[in-house]
Amino acid sequence: AQSVTQLGSHVSVSEGALVLLRCNYSSSVPPYLFWYVQYPNQGLQLLLKYTTGATLVKGINGFEAEFKKSETSFHLTKPSAHMSDAAEYFCAVSDQNNNDMRFGAGTRLTVKP
Amino acid sequence: DTGVSQDPRHKITKRGQNVTFRCDPISEHNRLYWYRQTLGQGPEFLTYFQNEAQLEKSRLLSDRFSAERPKGSFSTLEIQRTEQGDSAMYLCASRTGTGGRAFFGQGTRLTVV
Repeated sequence: AQSVTQLGSHVSVSEGALVLLRCNYSSSVPPYLFWYVQYPNQGLQLLLKYTTGATLVKGINGFEAEFKKSETSFHLTKPSAHMSDAAEYFCAVSDQNNNDMRFGAGTRLTVKP
Repeated sequence: DTGVSQDPRHKITKRGQNVTFRCDPISEHNRLYWYRQTLGQGPEFLTYFQNEAQLEKSRLLSDRFSAERPKGSFSTLEIQRTEQGDSAMYLCASRTGTGGRAFFGQGTRLTVV
């Protein structure tokens, strides 16, 4: 079974600073990896996903993530934080048979002016 | 609206009552998932369907919980004899086959008083 660990339940950055949200996964088979964002009182929205191919994945709103198999990581980054990026971010993993998807506990991103 | 819809959005019930939630997935999606999310936690997997078949159930899904997906279209999640610990956001998601991203509904927030 797959699992995800998100390091840091809360990350705070200044506007314009680098955003780095950490995600490590565990999977006995090649994984599919996802980052979702959840704004207050809204459903989960997909930011980006890795399935196969290029390990650096670009998503919406300037976010990107790199799949590093040797480190079992899929960290989410954005070069310059914007106030509107403040939200909860969830990393998720599923197997390539597209079976159940498991989420990390989430990281709340706060952006200071 | 062609997204995943959940009904109701909010439900307040007295302890011991039964409640039923409905999820209408995106029509061409054959996989449907139910998750539970409590404050400060990531979505916890409950169960998923491929078409009308319920393929996996989490240990979190006690015998008070039952889910159905008749005809492989909409799904219902029923909780019998609700307890205060059942208070949470119940999320539904649907997706297609290999590599398909999951689309989430906005959830049903259950409060058991």
